[in-house]
Parts: sequence; C-alpha cells; structure tokens
Amino acid sequence: DGGITQSPKYLFRKEGQNVTLSCEQNLNHDAMYWYRQDPGQGLRLIYYSQIVNDFQKGDIAEGYSVSREKKESFPLTVTSAQKNPTAFYLCASTGRDTSYNEQFFGPGTRLTVL
Amino acid sequence: AQSVAQPEDQVNVAEGNPLTVKCTYSVSGNPYLFWYVQYPNRGLQFLLKYITGDNLVKGSYGFEAEFNKSQTSFHLKKPSALVSDSALYFCAVRVSYNQGGKLIFGQGTELSVKP
Repeated sequence: DGGITQSPKYLFRKEGQNVTLSCEQNLNHDAMYWYRQDPGQGLRLIYYSQIVNDFQKGDIAEGYSVSREKKESFPLTVTSAQKNPTAFYLCASTGRDTSYNEQFFGPGTRLTVL
Repeated sequence: AQSVAQPEDQVNVAEGNPLTVKCTYSVSGNPYLFWYVQYPNRGLQFLLKYITGDNLVKGSYGFEAEFNKSQTSFHLKKPSALVSDSALYFCAVRVSYNQGGKLIFGQGTELSVKP
C-alpha cells in the first residue's frame, strides 16, 4: 500500500529531553511537511522540504529541527528548547506540482511532556 | 496576509438533513482551496479542491463545495448528512508556489450529525 507512516503513535517526553518523530512516505513525493495541531487552532506549519538535502522554516520552527537525507524520510526532532511541545504532530507530502496537488497526511504522533 | 476563517466552531445537523460548513479566505492572487476531514486521533483525509474552472466542486463521500469569488467563500455542503459524517473539518488555502506549496488552515469546524 502506498502512503505515509508516522511513528510512534504516542510519545512521552520528560522535561529537557530531545525526541525524534519519524515520517516515511512511499508515494515518491518530492515535498514533505510537518504540522503541529493544537485544539481550536487548526494546523500550523513547522518545517517543509521540497527536495532532498533542503528544507525551510515554517511559521513555528523555534525549538524544532529536521533533516531530509532521503526522499522518503523527513524526521522531526523536538528539542528541549521547545517550551510547550505537547501536541499532535502531523506529517504530509505532496507531488512535484505543489501548487495544484493536495497534501497526503500521515496518521499523526501524539507527544506528551511529563 | 493570507488567511482562512471557519466562523463556526461547531455545526449540529440531524441525519438526512442538508449540511453546510462555512469557509472564507483572504489571499492575494488566485486561491487554491481545499477541504479535509479528520476523525479522532487520525490524520487528515482529503475531500476536494478548487483550482480553477467550475465553481461547484464535487468530492469524496458525497461532499461538494461552492467557490464564490465575490464573497471569497468556499463552503462545504452535502445534501443529506449521515451520522458517520461526524468529524472535524478543515478548510485550507494554498499560497504561491515559491513558498513550497504551503497550506494555511482554518481552525476547524466540528460537525455533529445526530440520528
């Protein structure tokens, strides 16, 4: 089956820890995105990448980092600098023509800080 | 600034009745508009999009949306609601290509369909 996978589904972090969320796609999509979802606020863009080895900050990049070493993979690290990391994190991807194509979303990772 | 507004946090509909979930947008240039649905603790599923052409767009699961340029709206509609349509609905607008196909989302509307 083609699609986007995210792991883990649930993640618990202690104060001061860095954690990495996995996102993998087998859709052969060029562009990948990370969003953060909080209740009542919709989705906000953290980082995005249009090609391998290149990525740009979104609207709320502070306290997060990413890498894009392979086309299929776009992991997100939530660092200890992120003051309020408890949220639902969604990864998405889209094909070459990012203007017209819809984004496909993974099932999400729920991160909770203990 | 580009933005999307969903003026209703919640919409309640009886099963079998028509439903409308409202969305208005503000963009510079031609808008590319999308509707997504989210079930609890799941990712977003694409419903439909407007890029150009016919103002009435048909999508998945019997949903449709009407693009109205003069009112800058893109309301989601369905002639007969089902209990299984109960979910969180997001409207989104795409900004220009050189921002990597970035989507701007509304805050979401919770649709509740009662039997």
